[in-house]
Amino acid sequence: QVQLQESGPGLMKPSETLSLTCTVSGFSVRSHYFWGWIRQPPGKGLQWIGSVYPGGTTHYDESVESRAIVSADTANNQFSLRLTSLTAADTAVYYCARQVTNLYYFDAWGQGTLVTVSS
Amino acid sequence: QSAPTQPASLSASPGQSITISCTGTNSDVGNYDLVSWYQQHPGRAPQLIIYEVNKRPSGISGRFSGSRSGNTASLTISGLQAEDEADYYCCSCAGRSTLVFGEGTRLTVL
Repeated sequence: QVQLQESGPGLMKPSETLSLTCTVSGFSVRSHYFWGWIRQPPGKGLQWIGSVYPGGTTHYDESVESRAIVSADTANNQFSLRLTSLTAADTAVYYCARQVTNLYYFDAWGQGTLVTVSS
Repeated sequence: QSAPTQPASLSASPGQSITISCTGTNSDVGNYDLVSWYQQHPGRAPQLIIYEVNKRPSGISGRFSGSRSGNTASLTISGLQAEDEADYYCCSCAGRSTLVFGEGTRLTVL
């Protein structure tokens, strides 16, 4: 049974760069799936950030495309999100999830990690 | 792209049926049979309950069903139960290998 677990800093300062890692267990990230990041600001809805295929193909939401990089580390069965130039608007719970290739849905999710951007 | 529109909140009594709409455009909801729905309880991660418009993952109750007509997708929950009280989000392919979540609907079971 696939399990995903996010890890990373809980508190960041404006203008800093956020790095989050999702560790996958019970399933190989080399498999025929995309691996994605979704965030949820406090009290608000879900926002897709971007997804990566193990071969290196990536896709991003246009609103964060210039600041986000999603990458896969198949050796460690992990994938990561890097988000630059943080502002308070980036404060959110960040979820990692498995995305079924070509069908655009997420069938397994991590529990989420809260990232607060504050000076 | 803009988020598909969902009613902000709905309420119904146990045993009743309720339908949550998700209205997008002909660039997302109306253009692909790739609408999914997620249930999210407070403080918990979202859970997939419908994919490809009307398919249910293993373990999801048959009380949940999905459909689509034009640019509007719908999630119907029949025989409402207390544990159905949650937030519900639609999600659709939006072209160019991107996807978009709906605004979300808070369902209250009275």
